[in-house]
Amino acid sequence: EPEVTQTPSHQVTQMGQEVILRCVPISNHLYFYWYRQILGQKVEFLVSFYNNEISEKSEIFDDQFSVERPDGSNFTLKIRSTKLEDSAMYFCASSETGRDIQYFGAGTRLSVL
Amino acid sequence: DAKTTQPPSMDCAEGRAANLPCNHSTISGNEYVYWYRQIHSQGPQYIIHGLKNNETNEMASLIITEDRKSSTLILPHATLRDTAVYYCIVRGNDYKLSFGAGTTVTVRA
Repeated sequence: EPEVTQTPSHQVTQMGQEVILRCVPISNHLYFYWYRQILGQKVEFLVSFYNNEISEKSEIFDDQFSVERPDGSNFTLKIRSTKLEDSAMYFCASSETGRDIQYFGAGTRLSVL
Repeated sequence: DAKTTQPPSMDCAEGRAANLPCNHSTISGNEYVYWYRQIHSQGPQYIIHGLKNNETNEMASLIITEDRKSSTLILPHATLRDTAVYYCIVRGNDYKLSFGAGTTVTVRA
């Protein structure tokens, strides 16, 4: 069964450093998403992406975040200057259309020290 | 998207049916009811969704009341591996899924 894959599974970084989280969506999917979940809290939407543009973003997705589809398979989330409060699980998801079922990856645990 | 209300937790005996309720009294006509689950901080897993008719797949059944103000997810024969947080989400035209706190379901042997 096709699945969304995320790398790395765990990323440790120092405060102020840049990190890039990587995702390979399901191959025929056109819509891509990032969510995050701070330990013990709800899963929160960050951003949706289609046709090389952001289609929707939340208040959390401020100027320190960016997304990119650098090639035909990868979808990345960049955090420019990490803060302690960025420590969370980050989940990538993809769907065939913007209103379709979203399938999630296993997540990347980001630890900012 | 309409808000949902779910009980914070429930227990279920292994092998028995688990019935998970969800209230969505402000749902509007074009909004779907989605169910996802999350097993121990893994990525959310899609279970089922519906608009107004009852739905069934290999994982579960979804019963939506006629007025669409509430729904029930049924896991027909719960196993220990069904222990998870279950999220009921109402989704309209937004791209995003809005997760609440969900119901923590514990299946006991």
